Amino acid sequence: DAKTTQPPSMDCAEGRAANLPCNHSTISGNEYVYWYRQIHSQGPQYIIHGLKNNETNEMASLIITEDRKSSTLILPHATLRDTAVYYCIVRVFYGAGSYQLTFGKGTKLSVIP
Amino acid sequence: DTAVSQTPKYLVTQMGNDKSIKCEQNLGHDTMYWYKQDSKKFLKIMFSYNNKELIINETVPNRFSPKSPDKAHLNLHINSLELGDSAVYFCASSQDSGGSGANVLTFGAGSRLTVL
Repeated sequence: DAKTTQPPSMDCAEGRAANLPCNHSTISGNEYVYWYRQIHSQGPQYIIHGLKNNETNEMASLIITEDRKSSTLILPHATLRDTAVYYCIVRVFYGAGSYQLTFGKGTKLSVIP
Repeated sequence: DTAVSQTPKYLVTQMGNDKSIKCEQNLGHDTMYWYKQDSKKFLKIMFSYNNKELIINETVPNRFSPKSPDKAHLNLHINSLELGDSAVYFCASSQDSGGSGANVLTFGAGSRLTVL
């Protein structure tokens, strides 16, 4: 089971910042938080990941609370092409040094003109 | 230039048939995965291979048999296809299985299987 909770859907006006929240209250101290997105009918696409510090790349920013129980993905200037399902993921340890990414239901972000 | 490529993109077949989906990655990654996305859009891991060795096998029926001839390829063979096998199957790869820290997956475009 996914270890994260996200709102099922959100709307954002084109050109505005999209802030997508995620709760991961059971995250362990050394686990990363990952964000992926899936644009309709395409393969999931990696966006960003973080451990404790806030992270930024060319796609997005990731803000992680100090207690690490929640995070927010920020798309600074949303475009219509950002309409997608966004997944917040915490890895699940599978054993023998391997992990798996378990996808939950995600948040369907609709960017509106 | 495609990093993770899957073939075929679409596959329509009859119940009871046997079919294969092929996956290749040119990223030099050690670990490859198969995920299944059903009609409800849930994305579930099926298998993971690290350097040709099976490391994850998630309660998948024996009719599904992954084969990894080398670490750049992970093929999925399905015997005796059933209606419930209809789904989009995604192949993915990562640098390693995650033991070194973060494991970022690169996904293929998906293979849509329809069983009639």
